[in-house]
Parts: sequence; C-alpha cells; structure tokens
Amino acid sequence: GEDVEQSLFLSVREGDSSVINCTYTDSSSTYLYWYKQEPGAGLQLLTYIFSNMDMKQDQRLTVLLNKKDKHLSLRIADTQTGDSAIYFCAESTGGYNKLIFGAGTRLAVHP
Amino acid sequence: DARVTQTPRDKVTEMGQEVTMRCQPILGHNTVFWYRQTMMQGLELLAYFRNRAPLDDSGMPKDRFSAEMPDATLATLKIQPSEPRDSAVYFCASGLVGTSLNEQFFGPGTRLTVL
Repeated sequence: GEDVEQSLFLSVREGDSSVINCTYTDSSSTYLYWYKQEPGAGLQLLTYIFSNMDMKQDQRLTVLLNKKDKHLSLRIADTQTGDSAIYFCAESTGGYNKLIFGAGTRLAVHP
Repeated sequence: DARVTQTPRDKVTEMGQEVTMRCQPILGHNTVFWYRQTMMQGLELLAYFRNRAPLDDSGMPKDRFSAEMPDATLATLKIQPSEPRDSAVYFCASGLVGTSLNEQFFGPGTRLTVL
C-alpha cells in the first residue's frame, strides 16, 4: 500500500548541514515533496522534485531522489536556528491532489 | 495574499459537546482536505472534497464526525459528541486539480482540547 517513512528526530549544530531522509512506495508519483511546519503553524511547501530528476538545488536546499531505492533526501546547508521545524516528506497518489505524508522529522538546531 | 483561513484557532470544550470547525479555502481552489495532527498518530487525512463533493472520508470516525461544504467558500468539520481522544490540531488545506504540481495550501489549524 501507500506509505511514506522518515525518521522522527534530528539534532544538528548551527552552521552544520542537516540531512533528512525519507522512503516512499508509490513509484507513479509525478512529484515528491518536502513540506515544512513551523511551531504553531500549518504545513507549507518547502521544495519539490519532479520524478524524472535525480537532484534539485535551491539556495541552501538540495533534494536528492533515488528512484530505484525509492529514497528521497533533503539536505539543508549551513543550518540556522530558523530552520528548526518539522519536515514532512510526501508523495502524490490517486489524483485529486491527494498527498501521502510521512510522520515528519523534527529538526532541532542548537548553538 | 491568498491563504486558507480556519476558525476558531483554539477551542476548549467538555466531553459530549458539539464542536464545529470552519475553513475558508483559497478562492478558486476546487479541492479541500481535512487533516488531524497528534503527537502519537502524526498527520492523518480525515476527508477530502472535489468541487464540494466528498471523495473520500474513510479516515474519519463516521459515528461522530461529519464534513460538509455548504458552498465553495466554506468547509465544515463537526464532531458530535466530542471525546477527549479527539483532542488534536485540525488542519484544512485546499488545492487546485489540473495543476501538475498538486500543491496543497494549509490553514493555520484549529487546536481542539476536549476535557
């Protein structure tokens, strides 16, 4: 069935790189997504990657996609305290904009 | 600046009371989603609508939850009677079918506490 899995917690030092990993099951997903949830707020689309791409870079963010292993990762370079949030991996499935979200990875950035 | 709005932002109620949460999707969007977020279960999809018609509400406890879209500018999620285990943050999201990206835009959520 449809399932998206990701680790629940990640703690990094300010200025280091963060890498959040995700595995998914639906190989027909056209896009794969990373959503960010800041404290007390709803989810917001952070970045995405088209399924026929291996990598996408957007300023401090790098998304890597391994379709063979159905593995997606988000790398945040020079992690700042403002990056502390929950990051959700998601795949699209079944049409009608339906997304399947992972459980979310809580990123804590410490000095 | 188009955004999804939800009311109320916070709701504290007693067990057995009726709770109604409201959502105004972004104007022009034709899909609406209701999610529930808890520490234990994470983000759960409760129901979704396309063009105001319910497509799937299999994630919703049928005996006490109901979701409707009286018109294109309003979606409601009702719990009657409420129970302590319903305590969670409820999110509404909207989107537009026909765009390839399938982005969902989330509201700020309603934090429900049932005592």
